[in-house]
Amino acid sequence: DVKVTQSSRYLVKRTGEKVFLECVQDMDHENMFWYRQDPGLGLRLIYFSYDVKMKEKGDIPEGYSVSREKKERFSLILESASTNQTSMYLCASSTRNGNSPLHFGNGTRLTVT
Amino acid sequence: AQSVSQHNHHVILSEAASLELGCNYSYGGTVNLFWYVQYPGQHLQLLLKYFSGDPLVKGIKGFEAEFIKSKFSFNLRKPSVQWSDTAEYFCAVNAFRAGNMLTFGGGTRLMVKP
Repeated sequence: DVKVTQSSRYLVKRTGEKVFLECVQDMDHENMFWYRQDPGLGLRLIYFSYDVKMKEKGDIPEGYSVSREKKERFSLILESASTNQTSMYLCASSTRNGNSPLHFGNGTRLTVT
Repeated sequence: AQSVSQHNHHVILSEAASLELGCNYSYGGTVNLFWYVQYPGQHLQLLLKYFSGDPLVKGIKGFEAEFIKSKFSFNLRKPSVQWSDTAEYFCAVNAFRAGNMLTFGGGTRLMVKP
């Protein structure tokens, strides 16, 4: 069974701090994704990666960056956290096949004060 | 850009009632369609998917969805809901954007009263 693990379930950070959200998957999936989930807005794609060191902007990349140095790990970085980045962040992975479903982690609830 | 609309944000039903959650998408070409479910405190998981063939697809836990191409719709149905179906449901579309990217709807929060 695919497991996607996000390093923190809850995080509280101050405005202006640099924040790292880590995600690890154990199924050798090529694709990895970062979404944020907000009430009424569903899931919005921030960034995704289809291979090591490769990254593509999603629909809302502003204020975020990512790193994929190893196939199993995909990190989301908030260079200078702001209160409007308070949200639930979801990591997902999938094979390269366009028919394959996404496998999600449990999410990280980030609060920026 | 493609978009996905879920018209019902909150639905409250009694047990044994029938369920239909609407989903419409904006992309005119070939699409793959998904419904995901998030139970309270759990991660998102796949409920069912449509790629091709029979437009009526069956998923886990008695759910089904019908793809109607002419209406750009992929509505989720269940004939008789249970309290354990209380969850948030998300429709998602893959219009063959690069890298298997999905566009999600805003979600529908379902509460089933025992």
